[in-house]
Amino acid sequence: AAGVIQSPRHLIKEKRETATLKCYPIPRHDTVYWYQQGPGQDPQFLISFYEKMQSDKGSIPDRFSAQQFSDYHSELNMSSLELGDSALYFCASSLFGTGGVYGYTFGSGTRLTVV
Amino acid sequence: AQTVTQSQPEMSVQEAETVTLSCTYDTSESDYYLFWYKQPPSRQMILVIRQEAYKQQNATENRFSVNFQKAAKSFSLKISDSQLGDAAMYFCAYGYSGAGSYQLTFGKGTKLSVIP
Repeated sequence: AAGVIQSPRHLIKEKRETATLKCYPIPRHDTVYWYQQGPGQDPQFLISFYEKMQSDKGSIPDRFSAQQFSDYHSELNMSSLELGDSALYFCASSLFGTGGVYGYTFGSGTRLTVV
Repeated sequence: AQTVTQSQPEMSVQEAETVTLSCTYDTSESDYYLFWYKQPPSRQMILVIRQEAYKQQNATENRFSVNFQKAAKSFSLKISDSQLGDAAMYFCAYGYSGAGSYQLTFGKGTKLSVIP
């Protein structure tokens, strides 16, 4: 079965640079979630989208922005990168309203390292 | 705000034995979902089991079962016949939707080691 695809798997950026992470949800899933997991930490919710509209917002820094496109894929844009942004970034998808019923399906994550 | 607490940072179990991971949560909602996710060294987040708060019956998935105590806000995971492949970080998570989008709140995790 198709899973949630995230690209790239690994990314190394320098401080103050910009990074773009991509997420391709499971076919027919219309809701996308982004989470950030720092080293040795639990995942923290950043933002979610449904039908190209932001549906919920968590602890996402103002330097970050995200959007969902007409094909339901999503991109997380991160500017003015800081060392503290080094983390594993997960994308997850679900059908709207069913994230609790069936649970999310997570992608394999993008490991961002800021040097 | 909802909080999820996992009081056991690390646990170990002998292969083929049973282990229980603890989780408590705090919420003022009556309808919500609870999950256990497994994160092996590959870092993939894998759904192990889920529980709807309005269901009294405890969820089971093969060797994995939960003990859900709604009044006590407790949601423990029991792993029976532990296998080497069960070694991983286990996260308890709370999910609630105010508008169809389920934001998950995770606990800090319990690292489970399986001893051959």
